[in-house]
Amino acid sequence: EAGVTQFPSHSVIEKGQTVTLRCDPISGHDNLYWYRRVMGKEIKFLLHFVKESKQDESGMPNNRFLAERTGGTYSTLKVQPAELEDSGVYFCASSRYTPSPLHFGNGTRLTVT
Amino acid sequence: AQTVTQSQPEMSVQEAETVTLSCTYDTSENNYYLFWYKQPPSRQMILVIRQEAYKQQNATENRFSVNFQKAAKSFSLKISDSQLGDTAMYFCAFMNSGNTPLVFGKGTRLSVIA
Repeated sequence: EAGVTQFPSHSVIEKGQTVTLRCDPISGHDNLYWYRRVMGKEIKFLLHFVKESKQDESGMPNNRFLAERTGGTYSTLKVQPAELEDSGVYFCASSRYTPSPLHFGNGTRLTVT
Repeated sequence: AQTVTQSQPEMSVQEAETVTLSCTYDTSENNYYLFWYKQPPSRQMILVIRQEAYKQQNATENRFSVNFQKAAKSFSLKISDSQLGDTAMYFCAFMNSGNTPLVFGKGTRLSVIA
């Protein structure tokens, strides 16, 4: 089966610009997660979708972040406007059930300058 | 809130030797799951091994095994016969039995030296 795919792999934007990250989970995985790792720190949970519904968005840092999963398939994470502290690697993961090990994508490395 | 602590930011080991990565966690729950994930330089994170808290027997996967001490809230990973391909970041992670997200440690960067 195809794994979790994320696009783009890298993004460099200026402060104040907008960036949209995309995640395609493994087919049939209802659960989709977004995580972020800032350099040298823990991987932090952002939010969890079950199909198209937001199950838990307690990790979203502020209202500059907007996640969607229309139709319960792929998901997008938009950052608008981007700030310097948003730099890091954004990981997407999916699973068929919970609790269950997560399957991760390669991540998107976001650099805000 | 649950926390996961990995006290070793970096470690190195000679090829074919054994290395142990430490992980401790804090929770008031009785039923939970523990995981070790590996992220090689190519960046995709993959599951190495998992442990259910209700199981007393330590999990093993080929050269990877854990030492799960529930009372001490410790979950160390032992890698035997280390190989160059084991070079990676290793993350310890915790998950409640409910529908809660994974909680990760800061990671340990392991270098296997030829």
